[in-house]
Amino acid sequence: GAGVSQSPSNKVTEKGKDVELRCDPISGHTALYWYRQSLGQGLEFLIYFQGNSAPDKSGLPSDRFSAERTGGSVSTLTIQRTQQEDSAVYLCASSSPPGTHTGYTFGSGTRLTVV
Amino acid sequence: KNQVEQSPQSLIILEGKNCTLQCNYTVSPFSNLRWYKQDTGRGPVSLTIMTFSENTKSNGRYTATLDADTKQSSLHITASQLSDSASYICVVSRWVTDSWGKLQFGAGTQVVVTP
Repeated sequence: GAGVSQSPSNKVTEKGKDVELRCDPISGHTALYWYRQSLGQGLEFLIYFQGNSAPDKSGLPSDRFSAERTGGSVSTLTIQRTQQEDSAVYLCASSSPPGTHTGYTFGSGTRLTVV
Repeated sequence: KNQVEQSPQSLIILEGKNCTLQCNYTVSPFSNLRWYKQDTGRGPVSLTIMTFSENTKSNGRYTATLDADTKQSSLHITASQLSDSASYICVVSRWVTDSWGKLQFGAGTQVVVTP
């Protein structure tokens, strides 16, 4: 597609439920990243995919968070047993090979609210 | 401690006026610095990218400067417009081959342009 697409744009869930967030990157972009942005805070790195593998998962805050990517394209971020502190905007970005200076493109994010 | 500090946290300016945002960083060794604009409810959009050898880069009414010796950058907005109301995020990376996930993000400066 023309840009990075994320769905849903908004999600309200009850504490303890599982949620799945989806990211559809720009066609041909091999690298995909998930970030989290809490209210008034900076962007927090979660996980990075190169193709279908995740060489860097260091940002996942707990074992309740997991992500996968299939076919080198769409990625899903799953949060199990959601907690109120999980409420944030989850941003996805994709780029051509890492190390280039061309920067990368963000999606519009999924705003997750855990009540 | 955040390796990228931005100031001010927020500012309000009158339409048509100029303003300057600051970014100080401690990331080392330094590769490049980017400024992003993030409208409410949207993902960040790249404004400028500068390597250590560049000390100024313009994009329309946005001009970024970089002093790699003092580890300071500024983003100057000329003749502000209402559409400039957004959060401006400074992002620093260590070296060109580093995983993008290791980018260091500032917390952003919230700019409000009033008529």
